[in-house]
Amino acid sequence: NAGVTQTPKFQVLKTGQSMTLQCAQDMNHEYMSWYRQDPGMGLRLIHYSVGAGITDQGEVPNGYNVSRSTTEDFPLRLLSAAPSQTSVYFCASSPTGGRINYGYTFGSGTRLTVV
Amino acid sequence: KNQVEQSPQSLIILEGKNCTLQCNYTVSPFSNLRWYKQDTGRGPVSLTIMTFSENTKSNGRYTATLDADTKQSSLHITASQLSDSASYICVVSGRIGTYKYIFGTGTRLKVLA
Repeated sequence: NAGVTQTPKFQVLKTGQSMTLQCAQDMNHEYMSWYRQDPGMGLRLIHYSVGAGITDQGEVPNGYNVSRSTTEDFPLRLLSAAPSQTSVYFCASSPTGGRINYGYTFGSGTRLTVV
Repeated sequence: KNQVEQSPQSLIILEGKNCTLQCNYTVSPFSNLRWYKQDTGRGPVSLTIMTFSENTKSNGRYTATLDADTKQSSLHITASQLSDSASYICVVSGRIGTYKYIFGTGTRLKVLA
């Protein structure tokens, strides 16, 4: 079991460029989500999915798109990168998002810098 | 506004000593509270999960307490080890079945030899 795998680990983008952050899990988890972590702030939810074909917005969705065509994969797309999107991005999964007894399994993160 | 506040922001202790981290929240209604450990450069790892009916939960040398009346939680680390050096994050869910959690900013713990 690899758990939650995120790629790339590091990325530098120029303002206006687009890119996709990859997230894959091999635990057959229904729930997947994307968070960003900024200095001095708690993790903030960008988008989440409760199953293949179902996605919804979190707290800070602007500038990001997601899709969930399979249970395993949940890519995050930056449409036109801005310096404000410089952050560390974490993908997390859970058997079901609302169940109390399940914690999240987080990936190791993608550190993104937009210049 | 739903908030989760942690204290202290940072803490330095000597190996073998105990320490307690605090978490106060204003989230209402309350469903569950989680503590995560985040090593530098890694994703958070779950330590404990508690519902409003649970007062204490342990995971090895980690013991979490919850007072739902005062909306306070603490994480007690016993006989600290160098590997305990990490950030500890308190996370609160405001409603059963919600997929949205409120994260604290964490306490950065450094254990010195």
